[in-house]
Amino acid sequence: GNSVTQMEGPVTLSEEAFLTINCTYTATGYPSLFWYVQYPGEGLQLLLKATKADDKGSNKGFEATYRKETTSFHLEKGSVQVSDSAVYFCALSAPTDSWGKLQFGAGTQVVVTP
Amino acid sequence: SAVISQKPSRDICQRGTSLTIQCQVDSQVTMMFWYRQQPGQSLTLIATANQGSEATYESGFVIDKFPISRPNLTFSTLTVSNMSPEDSSIYLCSVENPQGVWTEAFFGQGTRLTVV
Repeated sequence: GNSVTQMEGPVTLSEEAFLTINCTYTATGYPSLFWYVQYPGEGLQLLLKATKADDKGSNKGFEATYRKETTSFHLEKGSVQVSDSAVYFCALSAPTDSWGKLQFGAGTQVVVTP
Repeated sequence: SAVISQKPSRDICQRGTSLTIQCQVDSQVTMMFWYRQQPGQSLTLIATANQGSEATYESGFVIDKFPISRPNLTFSTLTVSNMSPEDSSIYLCSVENPQGVWTEAFFGQGTRLTVV
């Protein structure tokens, strides 16, 4: 079956540090890949996505590249801010499934300190 | 985009009782999804709800425990039946982009359920 594996947290960083959250997946065919973010006390929202190999999703300074050869979709940001403190979820949507049917990773809590 | 309202936002319930969670969307959508997020864990899909047909449940979830209604294209309910403390979770409603061209899934704020 399909699955998503992401690095465990919490990840604690100082402001302006570089952030990487690793995400790898197992799926049949070519899934669509996503990063969702859950800020404290708020709902889940889409951060970025990529729908085919070598696509790069980007938003709010975050980037992730769909790597078919390594089945990965690592999230990066060059300089984090305190406001980036949140839980980040990697997810996939299998090509044989409904678009909104998502398989999530375990989530990675990121804590950015001033 | 889609704006999703879930009610209640939180509740504390006695074991053995049932709770019905409502999900209202501000536009018509074909498919609605119900997820569970257990404490400190990720989201797990419970079922997919289409209007006019029975919900499709994922492995490990059954209709008797989580009955779902989908009476129209903007509304759905999830009932958590005969609750036990293990049902304490956040329950989230999700929909696909209502425009017919998929761009993302939208999530409600969730219902935080505590069973005592």
